[in-house]
Amino acid sequence: GEDVEQSLFLSVREGDSSVINCTYTDSSSTYLYWYKQEPGAGLQLLTYIFSNMDMKQDQRLTVLLNKKDKHLSLRIADTQTGDSAIYFCAERPIGGGGSQGNLIFGKGTKLSVKP
Amino acid sequence: EPEVTQTPSHQVTQMGQEVILRCVPISNHLYFYWYRQILGQKVEFLVSFYNNEISEKSEIFDDQFSVERPDGSNFTLKIRSTKLEDSAMYFCARAGQGRTEAFFGQGTRLTVV
Repeated sequence: GEDVEQSLFLSVREGDSSVINCTYTDSSSTYLYWYKQEPGAGLQLLTYIFSNMDMKQDQRLTVLLNKKDKHLSLRIADTQTGDSAIYFCAERPIGGGGSQGNLIFGKGTKLSVKP
Repeated sequence: EPEVTQTPSHQVTQMGQEVILRCVPISNHLYFYWYRQILGQKVEFLVSFYNNEISEKSEIFDDQFSVERPDGSNFTLKIRSTKLEDSAMYFCARAGQGRTEAFFGQGTRLTVV
């Protein structure tokens, strides 16, 4: 079955770049997502990419996809203290007989930004 | 501003009691989801609901769970007889256009004692 794995913790200094990594196992076409969860809040959709793309950039966020290794990363440039949160990687396989429409989440990476 | 609003934000209930968690979409959308997150574990899919019918459900979504949209607006998740292991954060989400995106509410923390 499908699985999504992430490292649990990342600590960076304010102003540095953060890179949060994720691996997934589904072999069919899939959408891949990054969500942000601040303390006491819900899941905020940051960005997503389709598996036929290599990269997507949105302001300070850059998503890189290595399809061969099934590796997804989220780079946050100029990390700020307000970026401290849990970041969830998720995939939504489409076609191939797999579940459609529902997201498969990783456990989340807790990003701590030190001033 | 969340795309959907969930009530209550926190619910404490005794084991065996029924609970109803509510989700109110801000816009008029047809496709909704429920997910849950047990403390320290992954966010898990429970059920998707389209046009007043269950579209897909996971193994977690057994006979103790039900969903409905009784008044065409509020979307509810009912747990008939709560167990301690039902304690979790429950998230409602609505699909974006083309169902590519999913926009989540702020969640309801359910504590079963």
